[in-house]
Amino acid sequence: DGGITQSPKYLFRKEGQNVTLSCEQNLNHDAMYWYRQDPGQGLRLIYYSQIVNDFQKGDIAEGYSVSREKKESFPLTVTSAQKNPTAFYLCASSTEDREGPYEQYFGPGTRLTVT
Amino acid sequence: SQKIEQNSEALNIQEGKTATLTCNYTNYSPAYLQWYRQDPGRGPVFLLLIRENEKEKRKERLKVTFDTTLKQSLFHITASQPADSATYLCALAGASKIIFGSGTRLSIRP
Repeated sequence: DGGITQSPKYLFRKEGQNVTLSCEQNLNHDAMYWYRQDPGQGLRLIYYSQIVNDFQKGDIAEGYSVSREKKESFPLTVTSAQKNPTAFYLCASSTEDREGPYEQYFGPGTRLTVT
Repeated sequence: SQKIEQNSEALNIQEGKTATLTCNYTNYSPAYLQWYRQDPGRGPVFLLLIRENEKEKRKERLKVTFDTTLKQSLFHITASQPADSATYLCALAGASKIIFGSGTRLSIRP
């Protein structure tokens, strides 16, 4: 069964703690993405990676970090420097050509609550 | 800066009618325009992709148009059903990036 998985579905943390969100795909896609979604808003790009061992900042990268050591995995760490971390986090993967990304396959999301 | 606008108000449609959603954009020349469906608490699901040189694309009850002169895409659901109720997102892709609109919430009443 091909797809993209995120874990956990719900995550609760105390303020000041770093937390890592997992994202795994078995679609053999080169490109992977992390988005943040706040209520009533669209998706905002945090980081993306077009190839293993390489990644770029998106529009709202401050307070987040990522790694891409394997093609299948793209974990996101929400650090204590992120001012407002409570949100719904979505991971996606896609194929691309020189013009841009094709359809994105999304995981089920992780809802992070920081108190 | 690049901007995407979708109907900010929710759309309420009678079952069986055609629902039409709008996506307008500025300061961007996308290679593709994509539409996604998102249900509450879930990740978006891809529906259709249309390229800049295509005017129209159809898939079952779905139809997308793309007017690069007007910088607008229209998304139609014909013979709408209550199961079509969801939030629909448009996304523009090009120059190795993709940006999403905030979505339009569609409700189909029986």
